[in-house]
Amino acid sequence: AQSVTQLGSHVSVSEGALVLLRCNYSSSVPPYLFWYVQYPNQGLQLLLKYTTGATLVKGINGFEAEFKKSETSFHLTKPSAHMSDAAEYFCAVSDRRGGGSQGNLIFGKGTKLSVKP
Amino acid sequence: DTAVSQTPKYLVTQMGNDKSIKCEQNLGHDTMYWYKQDSKKFLKIMFSYNNKELIINETVPNRFSPKSPDKAHLNLHINSLELGDSAVYFCASSQSGHRGEKLFFGSGTQLSVL
Repeated sequence: AQSVTQLGSHVSVSEGALVLLRCNYSSSVPPYLFWYVQYPNQGLQLLLKYTTGATLVKGINGFEAEFKKSETSFHLTKPSAHMSDAAEYFCAVSDRRGGGSQGNLIFGKGTKLSVKP
Repeated sequence: DTAVSQTPKYLVTQMGNDKSIKCEQNLGHDTMYWYKQDSKKFLKIMFSYNNKELIINETVPNRFSPKSPDKAHLNLHINSLELGDSAVYFCASSQSGHRGEKLFFGSGTQLSVL
């Protein structure tokens, strides 16, 4: 079975500071991992994803994440926080139905990022 | 043009009523989903349809019934609403349901049951 744990339900950083949001996963199949962002009163948008290949993946808005199999982690980082980054961030892992390629997302409980001026 | 649109955005109703939420996607995707987000922001899949065929039906009360008239639409009907049904419901779509695909989400329907 697949699951995701996001450490810290709320992270607060100063504008310009490093953003680090932590995600650990559990998966019985090679993991497909995702980060989604949810701005207030909006749906989720994909920031980035890892399926295969390069373990450091770059996403939109300057975010990146590194897949570390040995640590079962997929932490999200951004070198310099901007006020507009304030939102809820969700890490997710895709399960696999049967032996095929179909699957659906299992989400973590989310981390709310606050950015102080 | 909104890729995944759902209506209404807000729905306030009394316990025991029956209500529907509509979802449409104009992306040409084959797969559509309903997710429920509770008051603690936890997101959980409810249903998944691929080309109008039900693929996933998680442990959701049978008061919830999805209906897909065509692959661009996936509506959610809820009978005999209960207080615990209060949540934000998100519709989403993806190209084919492959596990590595990006999901496109609607902006949500906030359901409040009084």
